[in-house]
Amino acid sequence: GDSVTQMEGPVTLSEEAFLTINCTYTATGYPSLFWYVQYPGEGLQLLLKATKADDKGSNKGFEATYRKETTSFHLEKGSVQVSDSAVYFCALSDRGSGYSTLTFGKGTMLLVSP
Amino acid sequence: GAGVSQSPSNKVTEKGKDVELRCDPISGHTALYWYRQRLGQGLEFLIYFQGNSAPDKSGLPSDRFSAERTGESVSTLTIQRTQQEDSAVYLCASSLGLGSGGDTQYFGPGTRLTVL
Repeated sequence: GDSVTQMEGPVTLSEEAFLTINCTYTATGYPSLFWYVQYPGEGLQLLLKATKADDKGSNKGFEATYRKETTSFHLEKGSVQVSDSAVYFCALSDRGSGYSTLTFGKGTMLLVSP
Repeated sequence: GAGVSQSPSNKVTEKGKDVELRCDPISGHTALYWYRQRLGQGLEFLIYFQGNSAPDKSGLPSDRFSAERTGESVSTLTIQRTQQEDSAVYLCASSLGLGSGGDTQYFGPGTRLTVL
């Protein structure tokens, strides 16, 4: 079945550091890929998405590129801020049966210090 | 319009009691999903509704769990005879459903269930 694997956290960075959170997936067909973010005490928010190979999703300075050859969707940001501290979830949506439940990774906590 | 809403935001119950959780999806969204998030874990899919089709119940962990949806609006998730392992945040999401762009899910704030 489908699965998503992301790097374990927590990831601890200083403000303005470069961020990479790795995500790889296993799926049949051609899934859509997502990054969701969960800020402390809040619900899940869609951060960015990509629907086909080589697409780049971007939002709020974060980027991720859909790499079919490596089945990856790594999240990057050039300069993190304290306000980026949150849990980040990589997910895929498999249209294999005509609909699209999400399969999530376990989440990666990011802690950014001033 | 408004996003996905859920109620209650917090629920504390005693082991063995039944609980009912409510989700109001975004207006016009034909697809509705329930997930469970245990402490420190990712999200587990529970159940999916698409329009008037039969729901996909493949993620429900036991027959104590059930869900209903009235047309393309409100959904309720019911847990009977709650157990301590049911303690989790229950998240609801909705999406436009089948077709282009329909696979982006928008989440509610969740209901935190604590079973004593």
